[in-house]
Amino acid sequence: AIQMTQSPSSLSASVGDRVTITCRASQGIGHALGWYQQKPGKAPKLLISVTSSLQSGVPSRFTASGSGTDFTLTISSLQPEDFATYYCLQDSNYPLTFGGGTKVEIK
Amino acid sequence: EVQLVESGGDLVQPGGSLRLSCAASGFSFSDHHMDWVRQAPGKGLEWVARIRNKVEGYIIDYAASVKGRFTISRDDSKNSLSLQMNSLKIEDTALYFCARVLIGRGQFDHWGQGTLVTVSS
Repeated sequence: AIQMTQSPSSLSASVGDRVTITCRASQGIGHALGWYQQKPGKAPKLLISVTSSLQSGVPSRFTASGSGTDFTLTISSLQPEDFATYYCLQDSNYPLTFGGGTKVEIK
Repeated sequence: EVQLVESGGDLVQPGGSLRLSCAASGFSFSDHHMDWVRQAPGKGLEWVARIRNKVEGYIIDYAASVKGRFTISRDDSKNSLSLQMNSLKIEDTALYFCARVLIGRGQFDHWGQGTLVTVSS
């Protein structure tokens, strides 16, 4: 199975900060990666699919890049509603595998 | 509006069985692959199973941790997805989400709110 190593596992940041989260795949997955946001008690929400395709309604401050084994999610200016846990998911190979998550907390 | 509503979660003893259901509405259910994803309390997300659509022959894949114990199925006439869980283990305790797969992409664009399965003696 492809392992997705996500870092950091948590971070503290302030409103307005630029935040970057990374996911590294144990083998190449092309562009078959998505990013999700999950708030406490809620289902995950798809932010970006196929590495960089923003879902409808997702603010443009969220961007993503990468291919092969290294991927990043960037929030250009952190907003209060962005404090949440973020996950990457590879859908290149079965079994699908998630990263371990990054909890973004208020500094 | 796309809606996915899970049901069937319960407290069950180790070795027991449970059947989860997901009622879908607001979209053409038969066009989409459908998945189950779970989340143990306080932990991350874990993919469980996928059943493809009719065009792709209803092909099924499972996570290694559930293969041979869980069975995913769908009824396109009833817009319904199911997960039959047998030989349940304590480590199967989790919130189980039903998720719709984006056509042509593989990622999940809609999720239910989840149904809680607790395996405990």
